[in-house]
Amino acid sequence: SQQGEEDPQALSIQEGENATMNCSYKTSINNLQWYRQNSGRGLVHLILIRSNEREKHSGRLRVTLDTSKKSSSLLITASRAADTASYFCATGFQKLVFGTGTRLLVSP
Amino acid sequence: DAGITQSPRYKITETGRQVTLMCHQTWSHSYMFWYRQDLGHGLRLIYYSAAADITDKGEVPDGYVVSRSKTENFPLTLESATRSQTSVYFCASSVGIVGQGTYGYTFGSGTRLTVV
Repeated sequence: SQQGEEDPQALSIQEGENATMNCSYKTSINNLQWYRQNSGRGLVHLILIRSNEREKHSGRLRVTLDTSKKSSSLLITASRAADTASYFCATGFQKLVFGTGTRLLVSP
Repeated sequence: DAGITQSPRYKITETGRQVTLMCHQTWSHSYMFWYRQDLGHGLRLIYYSAAADITDKGEVPDGYVVSRSKTENFPLTLESATRSQTSVYFCASSVGIVGQGTYGYTFGSGTRLTVV
């Protein structure tokens, strides 16, 4: 069973636009992570946000966490074609449980 | 990904055969994991290991066996392959308990297994 569910399942935007993906989870968490997966490749860790943090930035990435709503969002600003990938949220302390992912397509 | 290598990259096997997927990491990470990725199910944890000779079941362990005699290797064996085990298998590692640090997992490039 999945701890997190991403929304939307798929997102199509133009280069330069912002992309926002959401993740909802079911149980209390210690931290929440976001990963990117390019087609045919393994997942790459993007960012980790702790349960006592509300917002975190890394380059063009902005992650928010609302523990009262059990949800997180990943914002990619000024998207590029190279951002085309699937994005997954994951939660867990010793072992991670992944959501089903959002497929992002950024068109030139 | 440099540092964590999975082999083979692609494998076709017949129902009932035993097949072993290899995973090797060069960082001496304590934790290693095996996930399978299927459409509609996302990634599901098969087995994980906290250190050499310490392994534990994940969400979907049935039909799989793991061992970890050395820190750097974590092979996954399908004892008698079934068509339902057709999937993409990912090995991952982490230096420690992810909940205690600021790091995540590092994944290999995956093995695409087809059972016919």
